[in-house]
Amino acid sequence: DAKTTQPNSMESNEEEPVHLPCNHSTISGTDYIHWYRQLPSQGPEYVIHGLTSNVNNRMASLAIAEDRKSSTLILHRATLRDAAVYYCILVTSGTYKYIFGTGTRLKVLA
Amino acid sequence: EAGVTQFPSHSVIEKGQTVTLRCDPISGHDNLYWYRRVMGKEIKFLLHFVKESKQDESGMPNNRFLAERTGGTYSTLKVQPAELEDSGVYFCASSRPRSVASYEQYFGPGTRLTVT
Repeated sequence: DAKTTQPNSMESNEEEPVHLPCNHSTISGTDYIHWYRQLPSQGPEYVIHGLTSNVNNRMASLAIAEDRKSSTLILHRATLRDAAVYYCILVTSGTYKYIFGTGTRLKVLA
Repeated sequence: EAGVTQFPSHSVIEKGQTVTLRCDPISGHDNLYWYRRVMGKEIKFLLHFVKESKQDESGMPNNRFLAERTGGTYSTLKVQPAELEDSGVYFCASSRPRSVASYEQYFGPGTRLTVT
């Protein structure tokens, strides 16, 4: 079973920021938090990952709660091309398999 | 660098037939994974190779599925004989050597398998 819970769907207006939440209350100290997204008819695509500190890259930002029981993926300016299913995945150091949940389907409105 | 490639992109076979899916990982990626999504379900892990060795095959559904990675480069996933419930999209992914928890996996576009 997936170790994360996410809302099934969210909507955003184009050019506005989007905050995608993820709860992972059973996270352990060696779990990394990975975010992937899946565009229509494509394989999952890496977005960002972190362990304890907030992270930024060219695609997004990852805000991790101080107790690490939740995190938020932030898309600073949503575009139509960001419409996808976003997955929050915990990856335990020493293991390799991703356990996907149902993810959040993001709809971006023009 | 070239991404993960999978062949074929789509395969339609009859129940009882055999199908072989191929995955070419990114050059230099020792880790190779197979996942699949069957209709209406989440993406599920099948197995993990490190070079040519099977590291974890806990997700393989039954003995009708056989994965190989001879020489530690490309991998094949054979389904024999195929059943209706095997229909779905099969993804391959690869990642760099060393600490895999902190390295991302790069996914291919998937092979859509339809068993009729």
